Amino acid sequence: SAVISQKPSRDICQRGTSLTIQCQVDSQVTMMFWYRQQPGQSLTLIATANQGSEATYESGFVIDKFPISRPNLTFSTLTVSNMSPEDSSIYLCSPRDRDNEQFFGPGTRLTVL
Amino acid sequence: EDKVVQSPLSLVVHEGDTVTLNCSYEVTNFRSLLWYKQEKKAPTFLFMLTSSGIEKKSGRLSSILDKKELFSILNITATQTGDSAIYLCAVRPFGGGATNKLIFGTGTLLAVQP
Repeated sequence: SAVISQKPSRDICQRGTSLTIQCQVDSQVTMMFWYRQQPGQSLTLIATANQGSEATYESGFVIDKFPISRPNLTFSTLTVSNMSPEDSSIYLCSPRDRDNEQFFGPGTRLTVL
Repeated sequence: EDKVVQSPLSLVVHEGDTVTLNCSYEVTNFRSLLWYKQEKKAPTFLFMLTSSGIEKKSGRLSSILDKKELFSILNITATQTGDSAIYLCAVRPFGGGATNKLIFGTGTLLAVQP
């Protein structure tokens, strides 16, 4: 299975600021998904990122709030912009490999004050 | 509407017991079913099933898929306290544009007592 790292693992931020989360995979993957999981709730898909194309956002999520980059097949970033306390959550990248198995990064625990 | 239902919602067992977790689905154009274990933050991949009747096994965990009856089970034998976690089932359909996103069940919370 893929080895996935996320940075930062956790952060505490002030409202109105932005945070960029990095996801690095040790092998090339076909697709990269970004999820968030708020306390006591299930995983919610934010967007899907393919290399070289615009990310596809789920209902309720917009590019201005959650811009995503995918410059190559092993790396992606998610930015949480103009944060509010409602954005406090665990953010997870989830790469899908060429065998169509889908894994999750270790997560970034974000707290917005 | 596509949906994935897991049962039971929660389960408490003692070390050494065997447990069976269930996942049923109603998904158009089924492609694969995946099982994950979630402890603290991130889900850990367990199995991906695409064909009926072929058991996948890893140590004390095993899983099988029945595409006719639209369900899968995850078995854990000789449970240990380290098996305590939320077990997630997810189904991936064909189609759906470029994403083929996973449809998750609500999970089964397993607690293994010493």
